[in-house]
Amino acid sequence: AQSVTQLGSHVSVSEGALVLLRCNYSSSVPPYLFWYVQYPNQGLQLLLKYTSAATLVKGINGFEAEFKKSETSFHLTKPSAHMRDAAEYFCAVSPEAAGNKLTFGGGTRVLVKP
Amino acid sequence: DTAVSQTPKYLVTQMGNDKSIKCEQNLGHDTMYWYKQDSKKFLKIMFSYNNKELIINETVPNRFSPKSPDKAHLNLHINSLELGDSAVYFCASSQDLNGGELFFGEGSRLTVL
Repeated sequence: AQSVTQLGSHVSVSEGALVLLRCNYSSSVPPYLFWYVQYPNQGLQLLLKYTSAATLVKGINGFEAEFKKSETSFHLTKPSAHMRDAAEYFCAVSPEAAGNKLTFGGGTRVLVKP
Repeated sequence: DTAVSQTPKYLVTQMGNDKSIKCEQNLGHDTMYWYKQDSKKFLKIMFSYNNKELIINETVPNRFSPKSPDKAHLNLHINSLELGDSAVYFCASSQDLNGGELFFGEGSRLTVL
């Protein structure tokens, strides 16, 4: 069984400030981990993914995430928030060999203040 | 060209009706999915197909019946609609089943009155 917990359903940051979105997972087998972003009235778009290579993963739009096995975490960060980063962010886990069955966290809405 | 396209984008209907949502992908992918996103934004997989073969069938009422006429299409038919079926339904595709990126459509918002 696998599950994902995203701490904080809403995060508010000032433009230019650090964005930190927390994700913890549980998986009985080595996981693949993903962050997706959903802009208003759109589908989800992949930001980055971890598939057992480098533990620090760089994604699009200046985001990166670090896989920490000991903490079962995959937190997402961006050094400097931009207004266009306002969106819903989803962490997801998929067991390595389970046919791409993604389990999503509950999402974190990011608000960016000018 | 839209990679994963769903129709209709909005659907408002009465309880008890039957409705279908269509999905097409032009990425040449082998695998397609249906996800349901509820009012609290929680996303849950419903079905996946690989080369027209059903791979994942989560605990979904049998009023929901997916159909994949070819690997580029995955349609969702819902019988006897209930209030609780109101949600946004997302179609997605991936190259195969090996942990790759999912490409999502823009969603179909179903409202059951």
